[in-house]
Amino acid sequence: DGGITQSPKYLFRKEGQNVTLSCEQNLNHDAMYWYRQDPGQGLRLIYYSQIVNDFQKGDIAEGYSVSREKKESFPLTVTSAQKNPTAFYLCASSISSGPGYEQYFGPGTRLTVT
Amino acid sequence: SQELEQSPQSLIVQEGKNLTINCTSSKTLYGLYWYKQKYGEGLIFLMMLQKGGEEKSHEKITAKLDEKKQQSSLHITASQPSHAGIYLCQGGSEKLVFGKGMKLTVNP
Repeated sequence: DGGITQSPKYLFRKEGQNVTLSCEQNLNHDAMYWYRQDPGQGLRLIYYSQIVNDFQKGDIAEGYSVSREKKESFPLTVTSAQKNPTAFYLCASSISSGPGYEQYFGPGTRLTVT
Repeated sequence: SQELEQSPQSLIVQEGKNLTINCTSSKTLYGLYWYKQKYGEGLIFLMMLQKGGEEKSHEKITAKLDEKKQQSSLHITASQPSHAGIYLCQGGSEKLVFGKGMKLTVNP
């Protein structure tokens, strides 16, 4: 079955530690995205990648970093510079970027930082 | 920047009732997507609308995009507990943005 996997589903970290969230897709999609979801705020775009070895900042990139070394993988690192890292993180992919292509979402990772 | 406003923010209905969710854009949309989300889970794609006046249906859910391509509605007929969740619209002209979502509760 084709799809997007995110791991782990729940992640707990101490304040000041960096943490990396995994996102893998086997849909052969070129574009991949990371969103953050907070209660009452919908989804906000952190980073997106249109193609391997290329990525762009979204609306709330500060305190986050990404890499796209393989088409299938788009890991997100939440650094200690992110002031409010506790949130639900969703990864998505699409055939191509832009408004004409629907996005497919993974199951999400809930990160709690204390 | 483009924004999508969803209304209402939340809704509680009795099973069997019809309901409508709205999504309004500040700019003309290139495309409009509707997703459903169960709490704590990923988003499930429902429908995509691209043409002004377009209407699509799937089972008991109908989505419409107005002629000006600035407003979309999602209508659920004879709601069931399985329809409960958060409904999000996503759309844009240059880049895609999300509305804040509408939380639907269906009481049996």
